[in-house]
Amino acid sequence: ELKVEQNPLFLSMQEGKNYTIYCNYSTTSDRLYWYRQDPGKSLESLFVLLSNGAVKQEGRLMASLDTKARLSTLHITAAVHDLSATYFCAVDTSGTYKYIFGTGTRLKVLA
Amino acid sequence: KAGVTQTPRYLIKTRGQQVTLSCSPISGHRSVSWYQQTPGQGLQFLFEYFSETQRNKGNFPGRFSGRQFSNSRSEMNVSTLELGDSALYLCASSFQGTVYEQYFGPGTRLTVT
Repeated sequence: ELKVEQNPLFLSMQEGKNYTIYCNYSTTSDRLYWYRQDPGKSLESLFVLLSNGAVKQEGRLMASLDTKARLSTLHITAAVHDLSATYFCAVDTSGTYKYIFGTGTRLKVLA
Repeated sequence: KAGVTQTPRYLIKTRGQQVTLSCSPISGHRSVSWYQQTPGQGLQFLFEYFSETQRNKGNFPGRFSGRQFSNSRSEMNVSTLELGDSALYLCASSFQGTVYEQYFGPGTRLTVT
């Protein structure tokens, strides 16, 4: 059974600092997704990574995928308070028609 | 283009009752997936439908069921509700399946008392 692990689970950081969230998964997959969830809200799609070496950036967030290492990272540059949310990675295995989500990383950016 | 819609948004039920939740996907999307989100278990896959066929089912008891209609709208049903069924139920749609990006609806918050 595919397992997806994120770390850290909780992250409290100062505004202006950089940090990285890690997403490890246990079986071969070429497709990884990052979502953001604000308290009481649904999931908002951030990045879709569809091949080894894929890198995508949007504002202060950059995501990358290394399928050989079964690892994706979400890098936060110069954090601002508006980035406070829970971030999930999800992995899809071909033919299963389902996402397996990571545990989520609750990010709090302190002013 | 309208997003994924779910009704109702909030629901309070009593143990032993049953409940039906509805999901309307983005126009043109034929795949609908359902997920349960709880603080303890996180986001867990319930089932996925494509063209009225269930293609996969998560590890949930038979009390959880679903269906999809010819217009791609989907419903999920939970019978004999238990306290542990209290959760946020999220519906997601995609063009043809999870190989394509999934777009999530606002969710239905179910509380079982």
